[in-house]
Amino acid sequence: DAGVIQSPRHEVTEMGQEVTLRCKLISGHNSLFWYRQTMMRGLELLIYFNNNVPIDDSGMPEDRFSAKMPNASFSTLKIQPSEPRDSAVYFCASSLYKSFPETQYFGPGTRLLVL
Amino acid sequence: AQTVTQSQPEMSVQEAETVTLSCTYDTSENNYYLFWYKQPPSRQMILVIRQEAYKQQNATENRFSVNFQKAAKSFSLKISDSQLGDTAMYFCAFMNNAGNMLTFGGGTRLMVKP
Repeated sequence: DAGVIQSPRHEVTEMGQEVTLRCKLISGHNSLFWYRQTMMRGLELLIYFNNNVPIDDSGMPEDRFSAKMPNASFSTLKIQPSEPRDSAVYFCASSLYKSFPETQYFGPGTRLLVL
Repeated sequence: AQTVTQSQPEMSVQEAETVTLSCTYDTSENNYYLFWYKQPPSRQMILVIRQEAYKQQNATENRFSVNFQKAAKSFSLKISDSQLGDTAMYFCAFMNNAGNMLTFGGGTRLMVKP
C-alpha cells in the first residue's frame, strides 16, 4: 500500500513568493496533520483535520499560512508571502480517526528553503 | 499540557551492542499512548514501536523493545544487536486518549559505529 505522499520533496523559492505544499493521505485514513521541523523548535504541529474539518489550527504561525482539504484524501499547505524564517522541513501525517491508538504515519517531508 | 523529555541529545553505540534511549513524560491522565519514531538522514519519520498505557506488558518489535514504567512516567527504548542502519534521530511521543494529537520530545541522535 502507498504511504503518505508529499510533493514537492524540495522547494527553493525567493522571499515574497507563494509556496504550496501538497499531501495525499493513506487510503482510508481520515485525519490529516501538518508539522514543521526546524533545528531551533523541533517538531511543531501546525494544524490538523478530522474528516476534512480543521480541528486545531493554533499552531499555524500567522495569517501567511493556510491549509485546506479540498477532498477527503488530499491537503494543501500554502504560505503567502513566504519569508526566510519559513525555511524548514514540512511533514504531513495521516491516521484513522477513532482507531485506538490513532497512530500517525508520516510522509517523506518537503524541505523548503526561502532565500 | 503534556510534556515529553528526552534527556540524551546524543548517544553512540558499537555495532551489535545494545543501547537504551530514555524518555520521560508528564501527564495527569491514566489512559494514553506512547510512541517511538525514527528519523534517519533521509528525514523520513518512521514509526518504530508503540505502547498503550493500559497494557502492562512491554511492547516489542524485533530488535526494538520498550521499558514502560507507568508510575515513574518513563518510556525507554532498547535497541538490541544495533545495526549501522539504526543510525538516526529518535523521537519519543505522547498521545492522550481524548484526542489524536502527538506531543514530541526533543529527540536523541543515535550513532551506530562499525
